Amino acid sequence: QSALPQPRSVSGSPGRSVTISCTGTSSDVGGYNYVSWYQQLPGKAPKLLIYDVNKRPSGVPDRFSGSKSGNTASLTISGLQAEDEADYYCSSYAGTYTWVFGGGTKLTVL
Amino acid sequence: QVQLVQSGAEVKKPGASVKVSCRSSGYTFTNFYIHWVRQAPGQGLEWMGIMNGGGSNANQAQKFQGRLTMTRDTSTSTVYMELSSLRSDDTAVYYCARVLAATGNHYLEYWGQGTPVTVSS
Repeated sequence: QSALPQPRSVSGSPGRSVTISCTGTSSDVGGYNYVSWYQQLPGKAPKLLIYDVNKRPSGVPDRFSGSKSGNTASLTISGLQAEDEADYYCSSYAGTYTWVFGGGTKLTVL
Repeated sequence: QVQLVQSGAEVKKPGASVKVSCRSSGYTFTNFYIHWVRQAPGQGLEWMGIMNGGGSNANQAQKFQGRLTMTRDTSTSTVYMELSSLRSDDTAVYYCARVLAATGNHYLEYWGQGTPVTVSS
């Protein structure tokens, strides 16, 4: 299972919004509503941001939102803050008790 | 509070095996599944496998078939990941992660600190 394609990098100014896409197939993203997003700060373990396509765990700001259309999932970060600068990964269930991550996107806050 | 504490860094020669431990605390070990994920230097996350803290259910990514063994010790709330026939491209940080409660086993809520494994001759 190859990594789900994500843009290598995105950038935005403080206060603006950015959207990160995650393109899968009908065998993963498009076939299940088990999509999640993780934030990874340098040198740290990933942190769960979004699950079930668009739900936020307790403590995650509502500036982070998720959506899905067909085989593509998206993470939108609104009201960008300097502390949002990190790597972001999508993940999807891929059937038969396997999962796949996206290739990762580096967010730069200008 | 939930904690996953992994064993320390390892340096191995090509062809050898490595065994990484992940000790859980702060929750009922047998009620949750644990995933293993790795990250090569400067690269993205790669899903490796999943195992049940409470039973023998497990699965792994096809690319690791025959090289990856996941085991558990309920007496110490510890899961183990052993990777054999190591190659240089197995150099990575290996993470264990516990699933988010009540949402199936799809999401990784609590992570270990990561164990760096270097494969070099």
